[in-house]
Amino acid sequence: EAGVAQSPRYKIIEKRQSVAFWCNPISGHATLYWYQQILGQGPKLLIQFQNNGVVDDSQLPKDRFSAERLKGVDSTLKIQPAKLEDSAVYLCASSSLAGGHEQFFGPGTRLTVL
Amino acid sequence: SQQGEEDPQALSIQEGENATMNCSYKTSINNLQWYRQNSGRGLVHLILIRSNEREKHSGRLRVTLDTSKKSSSLLITASRAADTASYFCATDNSGGYNKLIFGAGTRLAVHP
Repeated sequence: EAGVAQSPRYKIIEKRQSVAFWCNPISGHATLYWYQQILGQGPKLLIQFQNNGVVDDSQLPKDRFSAERLKGVDSTLKIQPAKLEDSAVYLCASSSLAGGHEQFFGPGTRLTVL
Repeated sequence: SQQGEEDPQALSIQEGENATMNCSYKTSINNLQWYRQNSGRGLVHLILIRSNEREKHSGRLRVTLDTSKKSSSLLITASRAADTASYFCATDNSGGYNKLIFGAGTRLAVHP
């Protein structure tokens, strides 16, 4: 089966610019996650969707970050405006309600904010 | 906030040796999972152990869980150069929502 797809793989922007990331989860997976992974740290959950509803967004900086999951499939994560400290890898993952607790991760988008 | 803390932060061994990584956490959990991340890649699920289990095996992997000490260990036996990666423990205490909190990871280097 195809894995979790993310694009772009790399993005370099100036601070105060905006950026958007896209994720296509594994077909049929109801739950989708966005994580931020700063260099040398573990992934930190930003937002979790179940179908197209938000389950948890307690660690999403809502003044600059937004995410949506239209029709319960693809998702986009946006940062506007970006700050230097947003430089990180943004990982998307998905899991199946019926498949247990394993999360399947995409390759990530490496964001550099200059 | 990060729930799990891995120890050591970095580990360097020779091929054929065993590698042991430890994870400590703070609150009660539903399950604990271990993931591997190769450089520049996404994470790959290795093994899950539930709160009522004490030990699990998968191939060359052995995971233990001690809920009284709030700790887990991952043992990789007969390591290979291909095992070189970062290893993360992640805890789920979300009561069924499958929300994971990751530790900072252990960077394992296996030298041929």
